[in-house]
Amino acid sequence: GDSVTQMEGPVTLSEEAFLTINCTYTATGYPSLFWYVQYPGEGLQLLLKATKADDKGSNKGFEATYRKETTSFHLEKGSVQVSDSAVYFCALSVNTGNQFYFGTGTSLTVIP
Amino acid sequence: SQTIHQWPATLVQPVGSPLSLECTVEGTSNPNLYWYRQAAGRGLQLLFYSVGIGQISSEVPQNLSASRPQDRQFILSSKKLLLSDSGFYLCAWSPRAGQWETQYFGPGTRLLVL
Repeated sequence: GDSVTQMEGPVTLSEEAFLTINCTYTATGYPSLFWYVQYPGEGLQLLLKATKADDKGSNKGFEATYRKETTSFHLEKGSVQVSDSAVYFCALSVNTGNQFYFGTGTSLTVIP
Repeated sequence: SQTIHQWPATLVQPVGSPLSLECTVEGTSNPNLYWYRQAAGRGLQLLFYSVGIGQISSEVPQNLSASRPQDRQFILSSKKLLLSDSGFYLCAWSPRAGQWETQYFGPGTRLLVL
């Protein structure tokens, strides 16, 4: 079935460090891929998305490239800030249904 | 623009008491609606989704139920809460009938069952 696997956390980085959060997927159709961010005490917000292979989604300095050959959608940021501390969720949706599939989330803490 | 509301924001309930959480969406018609639960330290679990009034699909057997009495209203209920029902409940919506559509989340309801 369709699913998303993302690296387990928690992840702790110093300010200005490079961030990578791995995400791989399994899908029977042609999925769209998403990264959502959840700040403490809040709901989820869409961070970026990509709808077809080789697309790159980007927002707020974060990037992720839809790699069909490796079934991956890794999240990267070149220089993290304390304000990036949050839980990040990888997700996919497929064109055969109305459902989204979320990863288990990766907690990121950035220390000054 | 579209807005999604959830209330209450926080709720503390005794074991065995009933539950009713409400979610409403503004600024769109015929949305798909979703209820998720996020238990402490865990990911999102899809509980229910709805593609129309009165149409509810359940993903996980449990003592919770959902109803959609109006196009943009989605209610999560329980007759008797369990300790394990504690968690963060998120409502979401997505546009109907379209691949690659995004889900938009409400602010969530934090439920503590004692």
